Amino acid sequence: DVKVTQSSRYLVKRTGEKVFLECVQDMDHENMFWYRQDPGLGLRLIYFSYDVKMKEKGDIPEGYSVSREKKERFSLILESASTNQTSMYLCASRFVGYTFGSGTRLTVV
Amino acid sequence: GQQVMQIPQYQHVQEGEDFTTYCNSSTTLSNIQWYKQRPGGHPVFLIQLVKSGEVKKQKRLTFQFGEAKKNSSLHITATQTTDVGTYFCGGGGADGLTFGKGTHLIIQP
Repeated sequence: DVKVTQSSRYLVKRTGEKVFLECVQDMDHENMFWYRQDPGLGLRLIYFSYDVKMKEKGDIPEGYSVSREKKERFSLILESASTNQTSMYLCASRFVGYTFGSGTRLTVV
Repeated sequence: GQQVMQIPQYQHVQEGEDFTTYCNSSTTLSNIQWYKQRPGGHPVFLIQLVKSGEVKKQKRLTFQFGEAKKNSSLHITATQTTDVGTYFCGGGGADGLTFGKGTHLIIQP
């Protein structure tokens, strides 16, 4: 089975901090995605990547950046965390269906 | 941009009753995928539909893709307590999936 691993299950950061969320997949998938999930808003796409060093903006990229230096790793970066970035962050990789990681619940205080 | 609407937002059923969730897109979709998210869990891929008018079954679950490839449904026959969760549809477009906000299925024993 494809495994997508997110480095932290829970994270608490202060406003203004730079935050790194790491995601690793073990099935050599080219496509990787970052979503955030909020009650009543569903899953919203932040960034995605179709290949190493390649990135594309999703629907809500503001305040975020990404890095894909290796095929198996896709990192989400919050340049200066704000309270409105408190959310559940889900990473996924895809061949046909998406395989999601367990998520990182980030709280910005 | 592409929008995917999903209804109802919540559905309460008695155990043993049937359940249906509907997904409608503002644009023609290349494919549609369905996911289930258990409470406290992450979305898990159920199925992908690609062809116009396609119908697929997985045990008590029946998935349909509309003739115009703009709508889809998931029907569960004789719900069980294990069916509890949120069901998401994801419409395939040029930039990956656009997800509906999900239908929360609540089952009363």
